[in-house]
Amino acid sequence: AQSVTQLDSQVPVFEEAPVELRCNYSSSVSVYLFWYVQYPNQGLQLLLKYLSGSTLVKGINGFEAEFNKSQTSFHLRKPSVHISDTAEYFCAVTRRGGSNYKLTFGKGTLLTVNP
Amino acid sequence: SAVISQKPSRDICQRGTSLTIQCQVDSQVTMMFWYRQQPGQSLTLIATANQGSEATYESGFVIDKFPISRPNLTFSTLTVSNMSPEDSSIYLCSVTGQLGSEQYFGPGTRLTVT
Repeated sequence: AQSVTQLDSQVPVFEEAPVELRCNYSSSVSVYLFWYVQYPNQGLQLLLKYLSGSTLVKGINGFEAEFNKSQTSFHLRKPSVHISDTAEYFCAVTRRGGSNYKLTFGKGTLLTVNP
Repeated sequence: SAVISQKPSRDICQRGTSLTIQCQVDSQVTMMFWYRQQPGQSLTLIATANQGSEATYESGFVIDKFPISRPNLTFSTLTVSNMSPEDSSIYLCSVTGQLGSEQYFGPGTRLTVT
């Protein structure tokens, strides 16, 4: 089984500041990793994914994440945030090569960008 | 990615009643999933629905409470039966992408039980 820990439940930042949202996972098998964003009163949107290859993954809206196998981490970063980035961010994991593609989610990090 | 719609977008229901939520996809997909997001919480998988077979339920969820139908490759329904206030949540359906590894989500159905 897999588990995901998002280390910060809330992250307040000022506009144009850099931000890092932390995610650690636990799994006895190889995994795929994802970040999703949920804007207020909306569904989940896929930000980026790590399947294989380069450990630095770029996603939409200027976000990127780095997979670190030794530290079992997949932290999300953005060099300069905007007010519109205010949302809930979820890290998720699924077993690589599994047949059921079940996603396990972290508890989420609320990013609040202040002017 | 697939375009996914859900009906209704929100509803307020009385305890003891049932609500059926529809999920429609604009392309044929093998696997569909139903999740629950309780207020202020993360997403929990309720069940996996494959066309032509019975849904597979996760621990803590049972068919009598959350019956699921999957009549074809573009449509599924989730029924929340005999509702109580504890069922107040956002219910989301999702489908796998072309690579099979990622999932794409519908906009969700916000359910309030009074």
